Amino acid sequence: QSALTQPASVSGSPGQSITISCTGTSSDVGSYNFVSWYQQHPGKAPKLMIYDVTKRPSGVSNRFSGSKSGNTASLTISGLQAEDEADYYCSSYTSRITFAIFGGGTKLTVL
Amino acid sequence: QITLKESGPTQVKPTQTLTLTCTFSGFSLSSNGEAVGWIRQPPGKALEWLALIYWDDDKRYSPSLKNRLTITKDTSRNQVVLIMTNMVPVDTATYYCAHRLMSGGLTTFDVWGQGTMVTVSS
Repeated sequence: QSALTQPASVSGSPGQSITISCTGTSSDVGSYNFVSWYQQHPGKAPKLMIYDVTKRPSGVSNRFSGSKSGNTASLTISGLQAEDEADYYCSSYTSRITFAIFGGGTKLTVL
Repeated sequence: QITLKESGPTQVKPTQTLTLTCTFSGFSLSSNGEAVGWIRQPPGKALEWLALIYWDDDKRYSPSLKNRLTITKDTSRNQVVLIMTNMVPVDTATYYCAHRLMSGGLTTFDVWGQGTMVTVSS
């Protein structure tokens, strides 16, 4: 059982927007703005998409955005494209182990 | 440009010790703030953070695996080594090493190695 809770799957049509949630506790997501999101295509290494809740690394499309409310962080992908189909993982700093924990992952299907 | 690459055995037997090496370039692990971590992913499952080592040799371990893990660095060779003892079949996974983001992102990994698949089987 993963420490951060994500939906197992989400789907959307090209051009639409989708949101993936990541629910933690007051020991991690709720107390720290250190939430990251990673995209992973099959057989590939994860790629950083969002860090510190809302920041985008250089080179990441502005169609990807992050937010947080209480113990839940969210990743929103707008203008969905076929290439966005992948697994997405959230991660957060946690005071319980003084480093990071991951979510269980969400499979995004572009219909 | 930062790059990392994992190396080590593709298969180990139960009870054996696994030694993985991460060879990196594009940064120095002796520079203030730098850190390298290990993350694993069993087939079809989620990512799991294992260990992290900082430039000042401070180390962090996953509590559930702490008794089995050792992380070390060799700054002169630009390498980080992860040792995992008493391997069991559930340790079968792809093992990644990754660079911790320096600018913000306290627990963020901005560059990942390609990963190395390790199978535990007799």
